[in-house]
Amino acid sequence: GAGVSQSPRYKVAKRGQDVALRCDPISGHVSLFWYQQALGQGPEFLTYFQNEAQLDKSGLPSDRFFAERPEGSVSTLKIQRTQQEDSAVYLCASGDTRGANEQYFGPGTRLTVT
Amino acid sequence: AQSVTQPDIHITVSEGASLELRCNYSYGATPYLFWYVQSPGQGLQLLLKYFSGDTLVQGIKGFEAEFKRSQSSFNLRKPSVHWSDAAEYFCAVGYGGATNKLIFGTGTLLAVQP
Repeated sequence: GAGVSQSPRYKVAKRGQDVALRCDPISGHVSLFWYQQALGQGPEFLTYFQNEAQLDKSGLPSDRFFAERPEGSVSTLKIQRTQQEDSAVYLCASGDTRGANEQYFGPGTRLTVT
Repeated sequence: AQSVTQPDIHITVSEGASLELRCNYSYGATPYLFWYVQSPGQGLQLLLKYFSGDTLVQGIKGFEAEFKRSQSSFNLRKPSVHWSDAAEYFCAVGYGGATNKLIFGTGTLLAVQP
């Protein structure tokens, strides 16, 4: 079946613009995660959804970052008033169990803020 | 705090040679351990995982890893490297609990010489 998909794959934003990044998880997967991967670093956890409930948002770096999954499937990560330090690859992962010991990753969205 | 250390930032091996990538973790309980591979422009692909049981785990593409509790290590090995193995490799610890967010190391970039 289809894997995790993300769109857009690349996004260039001027500083101060708002952006929205979309994640389509594997159909039926309960768990959904967002990670941020800066250049030359490993991914860092941002937030976790179990169905439509956002159970952990401890990794969101500021209140400019907001994520939602209103119907328990597709998720959107929104970044308001983008800053240069937001430039990174944003990875989405899904899993088929609560907590999702095994996570399946999408290809990521590369965000560049100029 | 939980952490993952990959001490080798960059490794070069010759095609056909053996490979060992090091990973050490800091975690208070029995960890869930993972190795992922990331090719340029791609998402993370799971190579193998350890949850419990046999400490030597086999993965895809001929990779294996050994969990050594006494050394807090989970090193990745392959007996004979192929040119297509050139990629970045990430070790990760599953945080457990309600979210099981992953904590990643900074990665090891593998280059393969012909």
